[in-house]
Formats: sequence, C-alpha cells, structure tokens
Amino acid sequence: GAGVSQSPRYKVAKRGQDVALRCDPISGHVSLFWYQQALGQGPEFLTYFQNEAQLDKSGLPSDRFFAERPEGSVSTLKIQRTQQEDSAVYLCASSLTGQGRQFFGPGTRLTVL
Amino acid sequence: GNSVTQMEGPVTLSEEAFLTINCTYTATGYPSLFWYVQYPGEGLQLLLKATKADDKGSNKGFEATYRKETTSFHLEKGSVQVSDSAVYFCALSISRGNTGKLIFGQGTTLQVKP
Repeated sequence: GAGVSQSPRYKVAKRGQDVALRCDPISGHVSLFWYQQALGQGPEFLTYFQNEAQLDKSGLPSDRFFAERPEGSVSTLKIQRTQQEDSAVYLCASSLTGQGRQFFGPGTRLTVL
Repeated sequence: GNSVTQMEGPVTLSEEAFLTINCTYTATGYPSLFWYVQYPGEGLQLLLKATKADDKGSNKGFEATYRKETTSFHLEKGSVQVSDSAVYFCALSISRGNTGKLIFGQGTTLQVKP
C-alpha cells in the first residue's frame, strides 16, 4: 500500500471491554508512533517503536494501554477494560527514521459507551 | 516542559483574504517546528517545516518563519481559497537525543467562505 493504514476505522465498545487497534505502516519504515486525539484537541503522543523495540512508552495514560510490534512491521494498540475517557481517535504514524517525516494513517475512532 | 500554543478558532475568512494563525512554543533543546493540516475526512498531512532559527518553511502558498527570539512559528498565506478550509496544527519535535515524537497544539479550524 502507498500509505499508512489502520483498522478498524470505527470501533464502538461497551465500558469494560477490551479492544485492539491495528496499524500497518509504510513498508520499510523503521519508526512507528501512536497518538491519541481527543475531540477538539491536538494529537498526544502515546508510544514509539523502532523496529520491534518499544523505546518510549511515556505517553501511555495507564497500564490498561499496551502496544506491540513483534516483527517490526504491523503494530497493535490494545486497551483493556475500556473507560469512557478512552473515547478518542487513535492515530498511527510511521517514518523512515525516528527524526524523519511522519506519515499519518486515517485513524481509528473509538467510542466507549 | 515542551508545549505548543495556538490561537483559538474557528477562524472565518472570505476567499482571497490574508491568513495568520499564531503559534508559540516552549521547548528545551533544539526543536524542529511543523505545521500539519487535516482536511475534512482525511488524515494529518505535513504542510511545512523549519528545523532551525530563521528558517522559513513554505508550501502551497503557506509560509512560516522560525523565530527563536519570540519562540513563534506563525502560519501565513496571502490569499486563502475555499479549499484551504481545514484544521491546522502547529507542532514541535526535539531533535537531539529524542525519539522524534511530535508535540501538537490544540489545532485551529479555518473556514473560508466564497
């Protein structure tokens, strides 16, 4: 594919459910970022991978949030026991290197009821 | 800490009007500065960037100059079009010894009327 893809595009979860959000970065991109964008706000950094190594997870809001990139390509962001405050758009971005231009996916809009 | 502050929107202009969206930042280290744009129904796209003081980024008629003395990176365009209607985000990244993560402002919505 030409760009970063994310799935699902929309997810509705009942409070307490676990969800998994997928990101397919641009082929060959070493770096992968996850951001959370609340309604009417700018994106906020969650976590960063360089290949399969998670080098920065300082933005993860709680231990209910977990991200992985086991083979250095596709990444999954998992949220356990979802809460209403988790409702947001989750953005994935990839770049050739950590300091390179980041290309963003369309995002997954999560709504927790 | 590192942060970005943008002027609040929405900004509503008539076609061909002059645009300024203010952005100021606080940063430790040597930030690179960016403007991203989010068109309706689309993902975030890089509009322009500047990596050091006094650099000017430009693209599609938009410009922004990295002003270290005023810690600002204001976005300007001389004549806006309806197609420029979007949400604009100012952002920074600390270049040295950092992951390259972006810190965004809250976004400014621009509406251009014909």
